Amino acid sequence: KQEVTQIPAALSVPEGENLVLNCSFTDSAIYNLQWFRQDPGKGLTSLLLIQSSQREQTSGRLNASLDKSSGRSTLYIAASQPGDSATYLCAVTQMDSSYKLIFGSGTRLLVRP
Amino acid sequence: DTGVSQNPRHKITKRGQNVTFRCDPISEHNRLYWYRQTLGQGPEFLTYFQNEAQLEKSRLLSDRFSAERPKGSFSTLEIQRTEQGDSAMYLCASSLGFRDTEAFFGQGTRLTVV
Repeated sequence: KQEVTQIPAALSVPEGENLVLNCSFTDSAIYNLQWFRQDPGKGLTSLLLIQSSQREQTSGRLNASLDKSSGRSTLYIAASQPGDSATYLCAVTQMDSSYKLIFGSGTRLLVRP
Repeated sequence: DTGVSQNPRHKITKRGQNVTFRCDPISEHNRLYWYRQTLGQGPEFLTYFQNEAQLEKSRLLSDRFSAERPKGSFSTLEIQRTEQGDSAMYLCASSLGFRDTEAFFGQGTRLTVV
């Protein structure tokens, strides 16, 4: 059974710092991995999707890497801003006919001004 | 079409009442998913549709839960005889249905059972 773990569960950093969020998964049979952002009480916003054949994806100040063989992904946020404060969730797409997502519990990020 | 739409955004109901939520996916998306998220946890898969066919249901989906997607367009999720443990955020997502396609989520419906 696929399990997704995110470390740390919470993180507080001063504005301007570069930071790394970690995600690990137990079964490497995945189609892809997505990183999402969730603001309190809101839905999920897709940030980056990495196909299983890719090693990384970049969007603006965000860079996500994937090492499928070791079951790890990282989300790197450069020059953090208070507006980056949110919960960041990673999810893997199961390699079965449903393509359902299996999520980690998220990392709650607070960027202090 | 600006994205996945869910209604209502919030629902407060008394224990034992029935509730129904609606999801309107992105129009060209064949696949529609329902997830449930409790406080401090990631979303958990409930069920999914390909067009109008419901193809998989999680064990989390008890007999009190039913979902439909008539004509492969919008979907409804009904909970009968609600319990306090049903309090959660119910999220809908849609995708084109190909394995390399992103899932897009709605804003969710927050259910509180009192």
